[in-house]
Amino acid sequence: EAGVTQFPSHSVIEKGQTVTLRCDPISGHDNLYWYRRVMGKEIKFLLHFVKESKQDESGMPNNRFLAERTGGTYSTLKVQPAELEDSGVYFCASSQDRTEAFFGQGTRLTVV
Amino acid sequence: SQQGEEDPQALSIQEGENATMNCSYKTSINNLQWYRQNSGRGLVHLILIRSNEREKHSGRLRVTLDTSKKSSSLLITASRAADTASYFCASSGTGGSYIPTFGRGTSLIVHP
Repeated sequence: EAGVTQFPSHSVIEKGQTVTLRCDPISGHDNLYWYRRVMGKEIKFLLHFVKESKQDESGMPNNRFLAERTGGTYSTLKVQPAELEDSGVYFCASSQDRTEAFFGQGTRLTVV
Repeated sequence: SQQGEEDPQALSIQEGENATMNCSYKTSINNLQWYRQNSGRGLVHLILIRSNEREKHSGRLRVTLDTSKKSSSLLITASRAADTASYFCASSGTGGSYIPTFGRGTSLIVHP
């Protein structure tokens, strides 16, 4: 069974540009989570989808971040425009029944 | 509320020594997972321990869980330089606080 996959694995963009990260959860998992770790700091929760609905987006840092999950399958996280402080590793996780979450390998975002 | 607070925040040891990291959490959990992140890279799942388990082993890793103290420990035996990374615990709660929550992590440096 395929795990949670994230694309790209690494992205380098210039300040002011737009970047879209993608997460493919495990098939059949209704719950999808986004997290990020800014260099050297803790891993912070961003938001939680249940199917296509945003259940909790309390961790989204500002309105430059937009997450979508159309159709309740894969999810995208767009950063527009990107700022230097957005650099870090973005993680996605999915779960089926809220008992165990499976994490992807993350997307490393570098804003220069 | 923040779950999964690890300590120490930083640990520096010599190759061959054992490394012990601790994690505390605040509310009831369903399971607790330990992850490793090499600098700026993705999360590597190490081990999951369920709330009804007290100890699990995987290779050089040993995880314990004490639900009465709301704490877990990760022991890495016979450490190697390649074990240098940040280690995180992530707890998945019961009821409404399900979202997996990470602590600040322990930065482990193993000197060759």
